[in-house]
Amino acid sequence: NAGVTQTPKFQVLKTGQSMTLQCAQDMNHNSMYWYRQDPGMGLRLIYYSASEGTTDKGEVPNGYNVSRLNKREFSLRLESAAPSQTSVYFCASRATSSYEQYFGPGTRLTVT
Amino acid sequence: AQSVTQLGSHVSVSEGALVLLRCNYSSSVPPYLFWYVQYPNQGLQLLLKYTSAATLVKGINGFEAEFKKSETSFHLTKPSAHMSDAAEYFCAVIRFSGGYNKLIFGAGTRLAVHP
Repeated sequence: NAGVTQTPKFQVLKTGQSMTLQCAQDMNHNSMYWYRQDPGMGLRLIYYSASEGTTDKGEVPNGYNVSRLNKREFSLRLESAAPSQTSVYFCASRATSSYEQYFGPGTRLTVT
Repeated sequence: AQSVTQLGSHVSVSEGALVLLRCNYSSSVPPYLFWYVQYPNQGLQLLLKYTSAATLVKGINGFEAEFKKSETSFHLTKPSAHMSDAAEYFCAVIRFSGGYNKLIFGAGTRLAVHP
């Protein structure tokens, strides 16, 4: 039981490049989330998915897109990376019957 | 809308001393509150949660938190700090919005423990 896994762990992009951050969970959770973490700002919600086939914007969705590929996987795409997207990105999942979210180890992204 | 405020971005204590990390919440409905810990270069791990049962909540690693409605607080404490407690701690509240619920985090408090 790996919990929530994220790939890659580290990534460096040039401005304008695109990439997809991958997230998978093996806990059969319905809800999944993408956050970004910046110093002094805690974690801010980018997008979430309440169930397979649905996605909704969070606090800071601009510049991102998501795909809920199936119940296990929830990916985050940066179409044209900007330096302001330099951050640590966390994926999380939650069971419908609980308010507790389980987090992955994070992806550290630098955009130059 | 529900929110939390963590007082003090950095706290430093001696090993063996009391740890007190402060969190105040804002909510028009009974809140669901959480404390998470983040060790260096790792994800967030749940320490404890308050979901309207007992007001004194015990968590992992000897931490506990007390829900005080009159003070709108949910401070995290540990009687005796250990070097391994050095980490960043986040208070969070559930915000109910449009039929979905979302975790809203405070800015975090970095705890340093010195010998």
